Amino acid sequence: EPEVTQTPSHQVTQMGQEVILRCVPISNHLYFYWYRQILGQKVEFLVSFYNNEISEKSEIFDDQFSVERPDGSNFTLKIRSTKLEDSAMYFCASSPRTGREKLFFGSGTQLSVL
Amino acid sequence: GESVGLHLPTLSVQEGDNSIINCAYSNSASDYFIWYKQESGKGPQFIIDIRSNMDKRQGQRVTVLLNKTVKHLSLQIAATQPGDSAVYFCAEDSQTGANSKLTFGKGITLSVRP
Repeated sequence: EPEVTQTPSHQVTQMGQEVILRCVPISNHLYFYWYRQILGQKVEFLVSFYNNEISEKSEIFDDQFSVERPDGSNFTLKIRSTKLEDSAMYFCASSPRTGREKLFFGSGTQLSVL
Repeated sequence: GESVGLHLPTLSVQEGDNSIINCAYSNSASDYFIWYKQESGKGPQFIIDIRSNMDKRQGQRVTVLLNKTVKHLSLQIAATQPGDSAVYFCAEDSQTGANSKLTFGKGITLSVRP
């Protein structure tokens, strides 16, 4: 079965540094998402992306966050200046036609901010 | 406020028995519900979904029941196997547009005893 792939699987960074988390959604999918999960907590919605623009974003997704689909294949999440509280597992997801059907999630990138 | 929650944090069942995982939701506008399974080190994996115009939906060894009157969702797993051991999340989607915005519950750990 096709998969959403995410790299790296683990990322360690210093507070204040920029990080870019990378995702390759399933090739014929049109809707793309980022979610995150702080250890021991719920999976939380960050942002949805369709037709090369953000469809919706949560309160978490402030000016330090940005998303991009630079080449029609990759889907990236950038955190400009990381904070300790950004430490979490970040999941990329995609869905084929509309968002109102099942999302396929990647295995996640564990981000640790020191 | 809106919330999706799970009644129990852990569930231990004997291999071969049936498992029932329950979930309560509070947003009566939610019209799409999904169960996800998360194994260690992996992203959420779709199990089964149900729309609000249905009360029951069956998959392979899994059944989801929706009771809109009491805002309750359950996942039944028949003949539970060791491979079913994982964290299970219910999620709701109350979006009216094309993109999804899932609200996840906290997660319940299913442990299958051999």
